[in-house]
Amino acid sequence: SQQGEEDPQALSIQEGENATMNCSYKTSINNLQWYRQNSGRGLVHLILIRSNEREKHSGRLRVTLDTSKKSSSLLITASRAADTASYFCATALNSNSGYALNFGKGTSLLVTP
Amino acid sequence: KAGVTQTPRYLIKTRGQQVTLSCSPISGHRSVSWYQQTPGQGLQFLFEYFSETQRNKGNFPGRFSGRQFSNSRSEMNVSTLELGDSALYLCASSSGLGLLFYGYTFGSGTRLTVV
Repeated sequence: SQQGEEDPQALSIQEGENATMNCSYKTSINNLQWYRQNSGRGLVHLILIRSNEREKHSGRLRVTLDTSKKSSSLLITASRAADTASYFCATALNSNSGYALNFGKGTSLLVTP
Repeated sequence: KAGVTQTPRYLIKTRGQQVTLSCSPISGHRSVSWYQQTPGQGLQFLFEYFSETQRNKGNFPGRFSGRQFSNSRSEMNVSTLELGDSALYLCASSSGLGLLFYGYTFGSGTRLTVV
């Protein structure tokens, strides 16, 4: 079953605008990750935030984590057409005996010129 | 540094047949995981291997199996294929655990079509 749920399911914006995607999850986690997928290809790891962190930045990406609300958000600033992709959050449950990632259904982002 | 390599890229099989998919992780990565992606169920965890040992297994029937070799390369096998097994199968590798875990690197996937 899906642990994470992204919101919205689809998002359409223009180049230069910011895109915000949200993720909610159900159980305690060790870390939360965001991945991008272009047109049914492999996933690309974007950023990992650990349960004791509240905010993380990587280039134009900003991720927040609120463990009390069991939610995370991914902000892409100054979006480009190349950011068009599906974005998934994934939660990892077990740090000592390996990781089984639980993915949400994803947010489909369309950035138009 | 080479990425995660999955072969073949595309595969068409007939119901009832079996199939073996291969994954070569990034050099030095000892953890390999497999995921199934379908439009209906999304991304679902199949199994994870570390140093030839299966550490985690998802909720899939016994027709789905896998293994990891001493060079960390991994294979997954699906026997008695069903139409519902049509999916993109993704392999991912990582190097560390705990604070040394920074996320997975995924391959481009094997697109399996069962007819």
